[in-house]
Amino acid sequence: GEQVEQLPSILRVQEGSSASINCSYEDSASNYFPWYKQEPGENPKLIIDIRSNMERKQIQELIVLLDKKAKRFSLHITDTQPGDSAMYFCAASAVGSNYKLTFGKGTLLTVTP
Amino acid sequence: AQTIHQWPVAEIKAVGSPLSLGCTIKGKSSPNLYWYWQATGGTLQQLFYSITVGQVESVVQLNLSASRPKDDQFILSTEKLLLSHSGFYLCAWSRDSTEVFFGKGTRLTVV
Repeated sequence: GEQVEQLPSILRVQEGSSASINCSYEDSASNYFPWYKQEPGENPKLIIDIRSNMERKQIQELIVLLDKKAKRFSLHITDTQPGDSAMYFCAASAVGSNYKLTFGKGTLLTVTP
Repeated sequence: AQTIHQWPVAEIKAVGSPLSLGCTIKGKSSPNLYWYWQATGGTLQQLFYSITVGQVESVVQLNLSASRPKDDQFILSTEKLLLSHSGFYLCAWSRDSTEVFFGKGTRLTVV
């Protein structure tokens, strides 16, 4: 089945700087790549996603890049704020994958004032 | 707007005891439904999915079972809990195989 690797596992940045999280996947059939933000004790919330027919997507301060040839995708948070501190998960799924969304192990982002 | 309600919010159960967790989706007919499990500080592991009433597919074997008795209801259960069952159980729904939305979860502690 699909495997998703996510790095780094811990990321600490200063307020106002950018944060980048990188993920790679193995199954070339994967065509949907969401990102989730999970705050302590809360459920994961979908913050942005990208499909394989796109290379870049931006929603406000969130940018997602997809490199299908390299089987890599990444999340970039520009102008980070303390409220961005949370666990972030990338995931991948493929058509015909029996509705399976495979998650990375997560990145704990801390934004310091 | 769609809403997803999970119950209970938290449970403390003894090893060997039975368990039943529930999930209800409102505002969406025939959703795809999922159960996920998350160990403390861990990643999200899909356990089951269902695309229609009465049909449930298992993704991993964890001595758990799931059922979908109604279009808007998904149940996770086991007859005998293990210590390893502790964690955060999340019900989720989607329109298709993308854009999965999670409920608020049930925190289970097995003692």
